[in-house]
Amino acid sequence: DIQMTQSPSSLSASVGDRVTITCRASQSISIYLNWYQQKPGKAPKLLIYGASNLQSGVPSRFSGSGSGTDFTLTISGLRPEDFATYFCQQTYRTPPVTFGGGTKVEIK
Amino acid sequence: DVQLVESGGGLVQPGGSLRLSCVSSGFTFRSFTLNWVRQAPGKGLEWVSYISRSGSPTYYADSVKGRFTISRDDAKNSLYLQMNSLRAEDTAVYYCARDAGYGGYPHSFDIWGQGTMVTVSS
Repeated sequence: DIQMTQSPSSLSASVGDRVTITCRASQSISIYLNWYQQKPGKAPKLLIYGASNLQSGVPSRFSGSGSGTDFTLTISGLRPEDFATYFCQQTYRTPPVTFGGGTKVEIK
Repeated sequence: DVQLVESGGGLVQPGGSLRLSCVSSGFTFRSFTLNWVRQAPGKGLEWVSYISRSGSPTYYADSVKGRFTISRDDAKNSLYLQMNSLRAEDTAVYYCARDAGYGGYPHSFDIWGQGTMVTVSS
């Protein structure tokens, strides 16, 4: 199975900051990488698919990049509603689909 | 509104069984592949099972293979997960999730239910 490693596991940031979250795959997954946002007690929400495609309705301050084994999710201008946990997901070699361990973005 | 609503969770003893349901509305259910994803308390996301549009093939995580069975009833716009021989480590919130159907990017889960909690404990 392909292992997904996210870093950092948590971070503290202020409103307006630029935040970058990294996801690394244990082998090349081309661009088959998705990003999700999850708020406490809620279901995950798809933000980015195919490494860099913004899901419909997701604000443009969210962006994704990368290919192969290294990927990033960037939030340009953190807003109060962005404080949440973010997960990456590989869909290159399935089953199984596998997720990263998550990155919790907290208020500084 | 496009939505998925799970039900059927609860408290069950180790070795017991439970059947989860997921009812859809607002979209053409039979046109989408579906999945179950779970999340243990305070933990990350774990994919559990997949079912194609036609009902076959189906796939399972190794951790549930041979114990869980996924199925669908398109006439009832419903997805199911039959869970047998439950273990403490199966304790989690179980979500049903729709595959967005982006042709070049399978397994992008665009619609999720609110989740149903399964607790396995004596």
